Amino acid sequence: NAGVMQNPRHLVRRRGQEARLRCSPMKGHSHVYWYRQLPEEGLKFMVYLQKENIIDESGMPKERFSAEFPKEGPSILRIQQVVRGDSAAYFCASSPEGKGYTFGSGTRLTVV
Amino acid sequence: GENVEQHPSTLSVQEGDSAVIKCTYSDSASNYFPWYKQELGKGPQLIIDIRSNVGEKKDQRIAVTLNKTAKHFSLHITETQPEDSAVYFCAVYWVGGYQKVTFGTGTKLQVIP
Repeated sequence: NAGVMQNPRHLVRRRGQEARLRCSPMKGHSHVYWYRQLPEEGLKFMVYLQKENIIDESGMPKERFSAEFPKEGPSILRIQQVVRGDSAAYFCASSPEGKGYTFGSGTRLTVV
Repeated sequence: GENVEQHPSTLSVQEGDSAVIKCTYSDSASNYFPWYKQELGKGPQLIIDIRSNVGEKKDQRIAVTLNKTAKHFSLHITETQPEDSAVYFCAVYWVGGYQKVTFGTGTKLQVIP
């Protein structure tokens, strides 16, 4: 049973470009969470999704950021018009109902 | 919302000694308390967890204790080894209507050979 799969592992974007981060949850997990981690800092909650629904997006910036978890396919975190401050590691986690998280290996976004 | 404090932020121990990391939380409704280990360049990995109906849980060299009254829980690592060096995060949440986890700020543990 593969773990949580995130891709790409590393992503370099120029300022103003779009970044698309993908997350495939573990088989049987219906809950997906996205977290952002700045260097030497903790994990900051961004958004919690279930299939086709955004449950809680209170941690996501109102502009330029969006997330989806379609009926088929991976969850996508999309950042439009990236700026240098978006450079961070973005982690996806999944869980079944009522259980702990399993994290992916993260996508390290660098904006140049 | 939940407020989680984690101490210390950094911890250095000699190989073979014990390490203790403590977290306090604010919401008495919280009922699930996992600990994660994050090695450099990797995602956090669940290493041990405890639910609110249990006071202590042990898995080989790792143990977690929970004091619901005082609203704190601790990670204990005995006989530390260099491979225990990592950043450790506590987490708190309520397994109920929907899950939303609050993480501690992390403890960077260095085990000195």
